[in-house]
Amino acid sequence: DVKVTQSSRYLVKRTGEKVFLECVQDMDHENMFWYRQDPGLGLRLIYFSYDVKMKEKGDIPEGYSVSREKKERFSLILESASTNQTSMYLCASSSLTSVVLDTQYFGPGTRLTVL
Amino acid sequence: AQTVTQSQPEMSVQEAETVTLSCTYDTSESDYYLFWYKQPPSRQMILVIRQEAYKQQNATENRFSVNFQKAAKSFSLKISDSQLGDAAMYFCAYQGGSEKLVFGKGTKLTVNP
Repeated sequence: DVKVTQSSRYLVKRTGEKVFLECVQDMDHENMFWYRQDPGLGLRLIYFSYDVKMKEKGDIPEGYSVSREKKERFSLILESASTNQTSMYLCASSSLTSVVLDTQYFGPGTRLTVL
Repeated sequence: AQTVTQSQPEMSVQEAETVTLSCTYDTSESDYYLFWYKQPPSRQMILVIRQEAYKQQNATENRFSVNFQKAAKSFSLKISDSQLGDAAMYFCAYQGGSEKLVFGKGTKLTVNP
């Protein structure tokens, strides 16, 4: 089974802090994604990566950056956290070579609160 | 840009009965995938079912089936013999030429005993 893990389930930070959210997948997937989930808004794509050191902006990249130095790890960085970044953050991965092409597998999520 | 619309923010069903969740989408692409994902309370999002647009046959996974109407751009999910464990947020999602998924806003399903 595909396993996608995220470094924290719950995180509380202060306004202005630099925040790192880590995601690791164990299935050698090429693609990795970061979403934020807010009530009534569904999931919105922040950034995604289709290869090591590659990144593409999603629909709401402002205030975020990402890093992918190794294939299995994709980090989301909040350079200066703000209260409007309080949200649930979901990581996902997918493979171009899987039998079930393009299906994304999700991590458990990190609920971030910025005070 | 592609959009996905789930018109039912909340639905409820009695245990053992059948419920249908609606999803419509807008796209100009001819080749794409459609998904239903389930997110139980405080638990991980998991794939329920997927449909390739080029396939005319509706996908089925045990008690879960879809009604895919390509011309109408409709992709509803039917859950038969509903169980308490089916209670969750359900998200409809579209994937076209890129690797990106476009999600609807979700439908919260409650299953009453």
